[in-house]
Amino acid sequence: DQQVKQNSPSLSVQEGRISILNCDYTNSMFDYFLWYKKYPAEGPTFLISISSIKDKNEDGRFTVFLNKSAKHLSLHIVPSQPGDSAVYFCAASGDNNDMRFGAGTRLTVKP
Amino acid sequence: NAGVTQTPKFQVLKTGQSMTLQCAQDMNHNSMYWYRQDPGMGLRLIYYSASEGTTDKGEVPNGYNVSRLNKREFSLRLESAAPSQTSVYFCASSEQGPPNYGYTFGSGTRLTVV
Repeated sequence: DQQVKQNSPSLSVQEGRISILNCDYTNSMFDYFLWYKKYPAEGPTFLISISSIKDKNEDGRFTVFLNKSAKHLSLHIVPSQPGDSAVYFCAASGDNNDMRFGAGTRLTVKP
Repeated sequence: NAGVTQTPKFQVLKTGQSMTLQCAQDMNHNSMYWYRQDPGMGLRLIYYSASEGTTDKGEVPNGYNVSRLNKREFSLRLESAAPSQTSVYFCASSEQGPPNYGYTFGSGTRLTVV
């Protein structure tokens, strides 16, 4: 029962362009939504989050958008840089400690 | 600035053997977690400890036990390893309360059961 889904296993973009990573969820009880970034042989690192009372959160080049009615969130990276190449995980949580993760999207930014 | 430290980094076990994965954090976090990562599955929660002295099952607890030894340490034990437990295991920690700031993860333990 995957409650958080990332339907695109991979994404390739040109340096300087926008990267858009998508995520869908099924559990309407989720209140917090997060994105993590993971490099090979390292643990995931927290990138940005949004709570269900907002529809947008911005941090530098990274913006997360939340559409609660569609149960959909997305991460925009503008402009994309080669160092952004990594696996990005979408995650969601209620007010408990049970955070659910998507399967990840591998982003490749080409110079 | 150690953060979350996991040992060992790599391990190969034979089916039926037991082992304990160790995890320690130095950020004074109350909550700690064990996840496993499998291809195409993302990270799945095995067990978590919301605070010292408490542990709870996550999404995939079967075949595992945990111990919250103190506030810093949270160990994961495989009593009788099976090939299905071949995976990368991540320990994480966080402050209590809403997860606005995410979890801090260790670098993982790659376990192979043959």
